[in-house]
Amino acid sequence: AQKVTQAQTEISVVEKEDVTLDCVYETRDTTYYLFWYKQPPSGELVFLIRRNSFDEQNEISGRYSWNFQKSTSSFNFTITASQVVDSAVYFCALGDLSGGGADGLTFGKGTHLIIQP
Amino acid sequence: GAGVSQTPSNKVTEKGKYVELRCDPISGHTALYWYRQSLGQGPEFLIYFQGTGAADDSGLPNDRFFAVRPEGSVSTLKIQRTERGDSAVYLCASSLSPFWASGGLDTYNEQFFGPGTRLTVL
Repeated sequence: AQKVTQAQTEISVVEKEDVTLDCVYETRDTTYYLFWYKQPPSGELVFLIRRNSFDEQNEISGRYSWNFQKSTSSFNFTITASQVVDSAVYFCALGDLSGGGADGLTFGKGTHLIIQP
Repeated sequence: GAGVSQTPSNKVTEKGKYVELRCDPISGHTALYWYRQSLGQGPEFLIYFQGTGAADDSGLPNDRFFAVRPEGSVSTLKIQRTERGDSAVYLCASSLSPFWASGGLDTYNEQFFGPGTRLTVL
């Protein structure tokens, strides 16, 4: 069975601080995909990044960066120089193609990030 | 272009009643998903359609829940004899289908989510 663990329920930092959101996953599949989504107060989930299990290169997009390590089954997300607009709930999710299609994602419980001005 | 739309945005019903929730996916997306999100939790998978057929309905909690997608576009999630525990936000997502490559299926495309329908069962 697949499982995604986001151990940090809530993180509060002051604006301009760097913050890392942790994600640990479990799967028996050798090919799988990892995702991060942002859910702002408005409620709509916004796609941030997709990573497949064969690509362990770290990725940077502006102030966002992701660190994928298969050895520790982790896919952590770092926001550099955080801003108030980054305040949201962030979800890590896992998907695979083992069922003959793109099966539903398994989500973690989310980390509520609060950026204080 | 238009994103995923869901109607109604809010639905209040009484215990035991029947409800229908509608999802309009992004044009051209053949894969459609329903999730349920309870307060303080991550979305929980319910059912996945590839075209008109339900490719995986393993997440439906019981036989009171049913979903259809008759023409491969709009989908309706139907809940019979609603219970208070059904109260949640019901999310719909759509995506492009995975590609078939020489080694098998390739690429799990990202899902785009709608704003959700908040269902309250009194």
